Amino acid sequence: QSVLTQAPSASGTPGQRVTISCSESSSNIGGNTVNWYQQLPGAAPKLLIYNNNQRPSGVPDRFSGSKSGTSASLAISGLQSEDEADYYCAAWDDSLKGWVFGGGTKLTVL
Amino acid sequence: QVHLMQSGGEVKKPGASVKISCKGSGYTFTTYGVTWVRQAPGQGLEWMGWISVHNGNTRYAQKFQGRVTMTTDTSTNTVYMELRSLRSDDTAVYYCARYFLLGNYYNIDFWGQGTLVTVSS
Repeated sequence: QSVLTQAPSASGTPGQRVTISCSESSSNIGGNTVNWYQQLPGAAPKLLIYNNNQRPSGVPDRFSGSKSGTSASLAISGLQSEDEADYYCAAWDDSLKGWVFGGGTKLTVL
Repeated sequence: QVHLMQSGGEVKKPGASVKISCKGSGYTFTTYGVTWVRQAPGQGLEWMGWISVHNGNTRYAQKFQGRVTMTTDTSTNTVYMELRSLRSDDTAVYYCARYFLLGNYYNIDFWGQGTLVTVSS
């Protein structure tokens, strides 16, 4: 049972802007930063956003992250077919001294 | 460029052990830690534990305590994860990943390609 809750699925059409949400239910991670990972079919996860809203080098600026209170969001603008993937949020848990992951959101590009 | 290369897939019988390697390159190995995350077929990501490469300290998720051991060999830039007493529900892709400290929080950035472990009689 994850303490980070994501909707299991989301969808959009090419060019559209979609948002994927991640809500925290544990005080152990309430103030901690959130990262987002993209997992293409058959591939390893890839870091998209760290520290709530920072993009690693090479990640297109179509991807953006935000956090307010106990909810974080990943926004993808100008949706492309290659964005079809699973997206996971993650945060450091001070009590576990480890990471917790959301259950993942499967994004379908219609 | 940063690369984490994992050992190949394994097929094990219930009750056996598996040891997976993860070799880092393209960065100063002892500056970062390594964590292990697994993914059962069709399921999400599950954190297993981490090892601080520079001092060997470890932390394991409670679910795996007593069954998992993570070690490091800094002479070869390699981290190992051994899981014992395998059960069928340990069938999963196991990932190693690099982590770093930013401010007060740890972040996972680069991931290995994954190692499929199949547990079957």
